[in-house]
Amino acid sequence: DVKVTQSSRYLVKRTGEKVFLECVQDMDHENMFWYRQDPGLGLRLIYFSYDVKMKEKGDIPEGYSVSREKKERFSLILESASTNQTSMYLCASSFGTDVQPQHFGDGTRLSIL
Amino acid sequence: GQNIDQPTEMTATEGAIVQINCTYQTSGFNGLFWYQQHAGEAPTFLSYNVLDGLEEKGRFSSFLSRSKGYSYLLLKELQMKDSASYLCAVVDSNYQLIWGAGTKLIIKP
Repeated sequence: DVKVTQSSRYLVKRTGEKVFLECVQDMDHENMFWYRQDPGLGLRLIYFSYDVKMKEKGDIPEGYSVSREKKERFSLILESASTNQTSMYLCASSFGTDVQPQHFGDGTRLSIL
Repeated sequence: GQNIDQPTEMTATEGAIVQINCTYQTSGFNGLFWYQQHAGEAPTFLSYNVLDGLEEKGRFSSFLSRSKGYSYLLLKELQMKDSASYLCAVVDSNYQLIWGAGTKLIIKP
């Protein structure tokens, strides 16, 4: 069974902290994505990666960075967390020819105090 | 701008039929997805339409009219486990996925 695993389901951090959200997929997918999901809004793409060490900005990259050192792992980094980054974060992956996400992780609900 | 509209919330009765509508205005069109998302869980793929018409898959069907910028998801013989949010998403001319805010479906006994 295919799996996208996010390291934490719930996370609470303080303003100004550097926050790491980890995502691992076991399907040998080339593409990986980070979204945030907020009430009343559609999923918004933060960053995506189509290969190791490659990254592309999505719709709302400000305040975030990413790292893809290994094919199976895609990390989202909040350089200096702010309260407006409190949200549900979803990681997803897909095969190289499918530019849209196929499989999602269960999400990380991040609260910034 | 690009826009996906779907109702915020719908209520239906167990055993009944419900239709969830989605209208879109996007720069180009390369397909439309429907996903199901239970509370606190990952979205899961339900259907993909790129040509006009109805696609049936068990109790779920999805319809697309490209000329009208319109799709619907039809759920038959509703079960309590169908209580979830249903997300409509459109692939635009840049092959980017534009998401609707989702429709929360509440099933009552």
